[in-house]
Amino acid sequence: DAGVIQSPRHEVTEMGQEVTLRCKPISGHNSLFWYRQTMMRGLELLIYFNNNVPIDDSGMPEDRFSAKMPNASFSTLKIQPSEPRDSAVYFCASSFGRGGEAFFGQGTRLTVV
Amino acid sequence: GDSVTQMEGPVTLSEEAFLTINCTYTATGYPSLFWYVQYPGEGLQLLLKATKADDKGSNKGFEATYRKETTSFHLEKGSVQVSDSAVYFCALSRDTGTASKLTFGTGTRLQVTL
Repeated sequence: DAGVIQSPRHEVTEMGQEVTLRCKPISGHNSLFWYRQTMMRGLELLIYFNNNVPIDDSGMPEDRFSAKMPNASFSTLKIQPSEPRDSAVYFCASSFGRGGEAFFGQGTRLTVV
Repeated sequence: GDSVTQMEGPVTLSEEAFLTINCTYTATGYPSLFWYVQYPGEGLQLLLKATKADDKGSNKGFEATYRKETTSFHLEKGSVQVSDSAVYFCALSRDTGTASKLTFGTGTRLQVTL
């Protein structure tokens, strides 16, 4: 398996634009996580899904952020409108079952100017 | 809620020195505990894990023991190498129905010099 695949690897956008980050989890995994990493706040859990259903979105910073998982092999994280303070590395991770190891993608580095 | 507290970094050591990175946690129930490592420009990778009290996880010379009485999971290595330079994250996983929620500490940067 190729592992968790995220796209794009890098994104530079202007303030106010819509940004969509994409994630393909490992085949067979039933949980998917979106994290944001910054120097100031470290690694924050934004939202996680189990069997394509959002379980906990309490980490989503505000209404500008939304996440979907239309099927078991694809998820998106959308920011609309984007702001400079959204600049960060966004990671997607997937796992299987309870207590399972989470496998991380290589991340998307987002810069909002 | 669940939380993980790690020692502040950066930690700077000479090659072959002994490493300890402290980690304590707060959680309900009986979480599993993990150490992840992040090399520059990459995502996090699992380093080791322990699923119940008194378990010892080990990998690549790193070890950590699940201590329920002190709610700790300290990472140790007897002799570090330059290639161990990375950011280390302590994490806990608590089951929620059919899934598990991972909560991470803030990470500790390790720098190993010759």
